Amino acid sequence: GESVGLHLPTLSVQEGDNSIINCAYSNSASDYFIWYKQESGKGPQFIIDIRSNMDKRQGQRVTVLLNKTVKHLSLQIAATQPGDSAVYFCAENGGGGGNKLTFGTGTQLKVEL
Amino acid sequence: DGGITQSPKYLFRKEGQNVTLSCEQNLNHDAMYWYRQDPGQGLRLIYYSQIVNDFQKGDIAEGYSVSREKKESFPLTVTSAQKNPTAFYLCASNQQGAWGYTFGSGTRLTVV
Repeated sequence: GESVGLHLPTLSVQEGDNSIINCAYSNSASDYFIWYKQESGKGPQFIIDIRSNMDKRQGQRVTVLLNKTVKHLSLQIAATQPGDSAVYFCAENGGGGGNKLTFGTGTQLKVEL
Repeated sequence: DGGITQSPKYLFRKEGQNVTLSCEQNLNHDAMYWYRQDPGQGLRLIYYSQIVNDFQKGDIAEGYSVSREKKESFPLTVTSAQKNPTAFYLCASNQQGAWGYTFGSGTRLTVV
């Protein structure tokens, strides 16, 4: 079946460096993608989203890139801070009816001082 | 402030018991969802509801039940038929036509 997956389960970066978290999706009908951040013991928080008619979208310190040719999504975090340590999920809408999202496994981002 | 509230934060259940997890939202969102999260896995959909008095099974509905009597509330009951209920449960909501979910802070259920 269709699925959303992440390439790396754990990513360690030095404080101040840029982080890149990757996501592969397989449902070519998906036209909306979201990145969520989840801190330990808390619910996921919205970070940034992108529609399939875009290749790039920027937020505050974060950028999402979408490559529809290879079905790849990435989240870039500039100047990573200790507060960025969390699990990051990508999600897709599957392109079908209803508002259901399909979530990936998640990547643990660890920021080292 | 508008938001989505889950209670309790921690819940312990004896084997064979049913327990109900609360989810309340004051965002006036039409749709509500329940997800289960296990370590090393993504969020798996249990049940969802797009309007009051209507709900649909998700991918792992067996052993769970829900109701949607009010727009604001979407309680989840974990029944004794759920063989492995220990997990982190997340409730979410969104407005029809909008994709981004608002999540609650979760309930951690442990079977003792």
